[in-house]
Amino acid sequence: SQQGEEDPQALSIQEGENATMNCSYKTSINNLQWYRQNSGRGLVHLILIRSNEREKHSGRLRVTLDTSKKSSSLLITASRAADTASYFCACMDSSYKLIFGSGTRLLVRP
Amino acid sequence: DTAVSQTPKYLVTQMGNDKSIKCEQNLGHDTMYWYKQDSKKFLKIMFSYNNKELIINETVPNRFSPKSPDKAHLNLHINSLELGDSAVYFCASSKKTGGDQPQHFGDGTRLSIL
Repeated sequence: SQQGEEDPQALSIQEGENATMNCSYKTSINNLQWYRQNSGRGLVHLILIRSNEREKHSGRLRVTLDTSKKSSSLLITASRAADTASYFCACMDSSYKLIFGSGTRLLVRP
Repeated sequence: DTAVSQTPKYLVTQMGNDKSIKCEQNLGHDTMYWYKQDSKKFLKIMFSYNNKELIINETVPNRFSPKSPDKAHLNLHINSLELGDSAVYFCASSKKTGGDQPQHFGDGTRLSIL
């Protein structure tokens, strides 16, 4: 069954605003990863957070992980039109399979 | 240089045909994967190979047969194609299996069954 589920399914914001996407999962994980997919392209790895970490930063990206609530969030600050893409969370389970959610489609309006 | 490359990018064929998709990675990674992305963008693991050995085989019809001639290549052969096989198939690779290993994806093969 699907492990990660993103919320919202779609998000439209103005350039310069922050975008927050949430992910919930069901079972225990080794780590949680976020990927970006531009239209017609493959997924690109953004950031990985281990199960014993609570927060991680990379440039304009901030990821949090709450294992007690089985949830994670991805914050993109000062968004740009080039951030328009689909964003997926993916959970590494105990058998080292990466289980993806259905993604959040982000539109950043110039 | 493209890190993970798949061919062909588009594949349009008739139901019942047999087709193959090829994947090559030049990253020196040990592990390669095949994923299927359906029309709702849901991405699901199909197979994983580590250094030419099959390590993950999800509940996939046996019409799908992966082959890894060496650790840089993982091909996917599909027999007797069905309408439900229409999807985008992604190849990916990672340095090793599991652990804190990000995966690197190709740009996908868009398979359409007529």
